Parts: sequence; C-alpha cells; structure tokens
Amino acid sequence: GAGVSQSPSNKVTEKGKDVELRCDPISGHTALYWYRQSLGQGLEFLIYFQGNSAPDKSGLPSDRFSAERTGGSVSTLTIQRTQQEDSAVYLCASSFDETQYFGPGTRLLVL
Amino acid sequence: ELKVEQNPLFLSMQEGKNYTIYCNYSTTSDRLYWYRQDPGKSLESLFVLLSNGAVKQEGRLMASLDTKARLSTLHITAAVHDLSATYFCAVGNFGNEKLTFGTGTRLTIIP
Repeated sequence: GAGVSQSPSNKVTEKGKDVELRCDPISGHTALYWYRQSLGQGLEFLIYFQGNSAPDKSGLPSDRFSAERTGGSVSTLTIQRTQQEDSAVYLCASSFDETQYFGPGTRLLVL
Repeated sequence: ELKVEQNPLFLSMQEGKNYTIYCNYSTTSDRLYWYRQDPGKSLESLFVLLSNGAVKQEGRLMASLDTKARLSTLHITAAVHDLSATYFCAVGNFGNEKLTFGTGTRLTIIP
C-alpha cells in the first residue's frame, strides 16, 4: 500500500518568508509525528498528534513553528519568518502501533 | 533529559566480518528502535524491541535489548556491501511515542 508522502520534496526560500510543509500519513494511522534532521542537531522530535488528543508540542524549537492536523489525517507544518538555522530535512512519520513509518522528507533550504 | 548515545559513529569493515553497534540510553524507556537510512533517503524501520532480553533477527542483522543496562546492540554477521548505510537507534515510551534518536552509526562495508 501507499506509504507516508510529503510535499514538496525540496523547498528553497528566502530568510523571513513563511513556508508550509505537508504530510499525508498512511491511511488508518492514528498517530502522526514531525521530526527534523540537520547536520548540527541530528534527528530531533518536533510535534506529535495522537487521535483527537491535544498534540505534544514539546519539541518545537520556537513559536515560529506550528503544526495542525485536519480531520485526523493530513498535517501541515508551518514555519514563519524562516531563519537560516531552519534549514534541514523535515520528516513526517505515522503509526497505528509502536512502529513509526517515515516519509521521504522535505529538504528545506533557507537562503 | 533523555540522552541516547551510539558508538561507534563511523565504522568501516570488510565484507564477511562481524561487528556490533552499541546504543546506550540514560533513562528508563519502554521500547528501543533500530532504523536504517541510505544516503538521501528516509528512515527504514528494522526492529522494535519491547522488553528486557528481547532479541530479533532479520537476515544478517540481529538486535538485542538489555533494559537493566539501558543498552541495545545491533550485530552484523558476515557483512555484505548492501548493508552500507547509517544506522540509528531510538528510544520511546508507551503512551507518548515521540522518539529520541542516537547520533547514528555510519557503516561502510569494503569489498
């Protein structure tokens, strides 16, 4: 079946602009996660949605980052006023049990 | 704060040899994950270990978990070139599945 999909696959933006990254989880998966991977920081948790519960936002690095999940399915990660240190690969994962399945990621470059 | 350490960070080994990657974590956790990442690709789930003494094997890879020592190992038997990749361990907990990742071990198999 279809895996986790993310769009766009690559995004180049100018410092100060806002960006939106999209994640389509595997159908039927109740949990959705955002992580980011960068050379300096490795793989970091950002935010976690589980069903209708309030999301765990404890990994968001600043208030410029936000995410929502509509209808328990698609999620959008928004970064406002992007900074160069936001450059990274943003990975989405979904699960229905303990195994998290990762999408291909969005590579974000902030110039 | 949970910390996850892997060693070695880099490993270059000859085909046919055996080796072990180590993953230590600092606080009690319910589950231990191993993922593989090929260059430019996303994360592929290899193993999920849920209890003390758990051992799982897939092909030339075998993972084990010692929750008392807070240690997991990924053992490679008779390495082949196709196993060249970066391997990550990650730690999670039941009820809040956000993962804390190790630094990764970059494995290169030399013919």
